[in-house]
Amino acid sequence: EAQVTQNPRYLITVTGKKLTVTCSQNMNHEYMSWYRQDPGLGLRQIYYSMNVEVTDKGDVPEGYKVSRKEKRNFPLILESPSPNQTSLYFCASSLSDRFSSTDTQYFGPGTRLTVL
Amino acid sequence: GQQVMQIPQYQHVQEGEDFTTYCNSSTTLSNIQWYKQRPGGHPVFLIQLVKSGEVKKQKRLTFQFGEAKKNSSLHITATQTTDVGTYFCAGRSGGSYIPTFGRGTSLIVHP
Repeated sequence: EAQVTQNPRYLITVTGKKLTVTCSQNMNHEYMSWYRQDPGLGLRQIYYSMNVEVTDKGDVPEGYKVSRKEKRNFPLILESPSPNQTSLYFCASSLSDRFSSTDTQYFGPGTRLTVL
Repeated sequence: GQQVMQIPQYQHVQEGEDFTTYCNSSTTLSNIQWYKQRPGGHPVFLIQLVKSGEVKKQKRLTFQFGEAKKNSSLHITATQTTDVGTYFCAGRSGGSYIPTFGRGTSLIVHP
């Protein structure tokens, strides 16, 4: 089954404690990205990756890091989480960034993060 | 920067009524995507439109992309309770790889 998985699904942590949210896709997709979703603000892209070892900043990259060492994995790293990073996070992937009319972007199930 | 405004924010309908949500961009878009998110769920990709004036249908859903490629709409005919959720548009302009999402329209269908 084609899917994007994220772990953990829920996480409560404290300010300053480094954490990693994993994302994996089994569709051999080139393009992967991370979003955060906040009430009243909608979805905002944090980082994206067009292929292995190619990453770039989205709209709200401050306080986050990513890496793309393998095609299937795209972890999101919060080196020193702060309360304003409390949010719902989604990983997504698609075959390419071209988003042709037949391409589809798949979202993971989400990770709800609370930073105290 | 690019802004994508989506209206209305909420829409209550009786089952069987039609529903439309609109997206308007401050800049010309190269493409626009539509997503549906059920309560507690994740966004699910519905469609992408790329051509000026394009109209596409998926069963009871009709998607339009404006002639100027600055606006788009999603129309649902004869809503059902399974249509409940939030519908988002996301547009990209120029050569940007970063989509700008509208804030979504939450559809509530009353049986």
